[in-house]
Amino acid sequence: GENVEQHPSTLSVQEGDSAVIKCTYSDSASNYFPWYKQELGKGPQLIIDIRSNVGEKKDQRIAVTLNKTAKHFSLHITETQPEDSAVYFCAATGFQKLVFGTGTRLLVSP
Amino acid sequence: GAGVSQSPSNKVTEKGKDVELRCDPISGHTALYWYRQSLGQGLEFLIYFQGNSAPDKSGLPSDRFSAERTGGSVSTLTIQRTQQEDSAVYLCASSLRVAGSSYNEQFFGPGTRLTVL
Repeated sequence: GENVEQHPSTLSVQEGDSAVIKCTYSDSASNYFPWYKQELGKGPQLIIDIRSNVGEKKDQRIAVTLNKTAKHFSLHITETQPEDSAVYFCAATGFQKLVFGTGTRLLVSP
Repeated sequence: GAGVSQSPSNKVTEKGKDVELRCDPISGHTALYWYRQSLGQGLEFLIYFQGNSAPDKSGLPSDRFSAERTGGSVSTLTIQRTQQEDSAVYLCASSLRVAGSSYNEQFFGPGTRLTVL
């Protein structure tokens, strides 16, 4: 089955800096890669996703890149703000069932 | 519109007791998922319902865990004879199955925090 690894487990940056979170997956059949943000006491919320026929996708300060050959994908957050502080999860799926990474706790200091 | 709701938000129980956790998915969503999130950990898949198909129970950790989805809507996750290691946040998610597509945004509820003493 699919296995997703995520790094780093914690990431501290200064406000305005960029943050990068990386994930690798094992199943070459996986074709959908979402990223979720989880704030304290809440359920995860989708922030961006990418499909296997696309190499990069941007949405304002957030971007995701996908390298299918290497089986890894990354989340990039530019101009970080304190409200970006949360736990971020990557995931991969071949069909319907998502397999999640272990999460990255991002702390953005003012 | 209304999102995924879960009840109770918190549940404290004694070891050996049974508990029931409820999930109300977004109206019209045909797929429903249960996950378990232990402290500081990722999301562990438990079970998946899709329409009238047989559920995918491959993630249930033991036969003490079971789930039902009545009428294709509300779902109940039942844990029998709870153990301390069952303490976690149990998350429910639903998604709209799009014909011919494997892509599915899952919408999560706020979770139920279960504490087994």
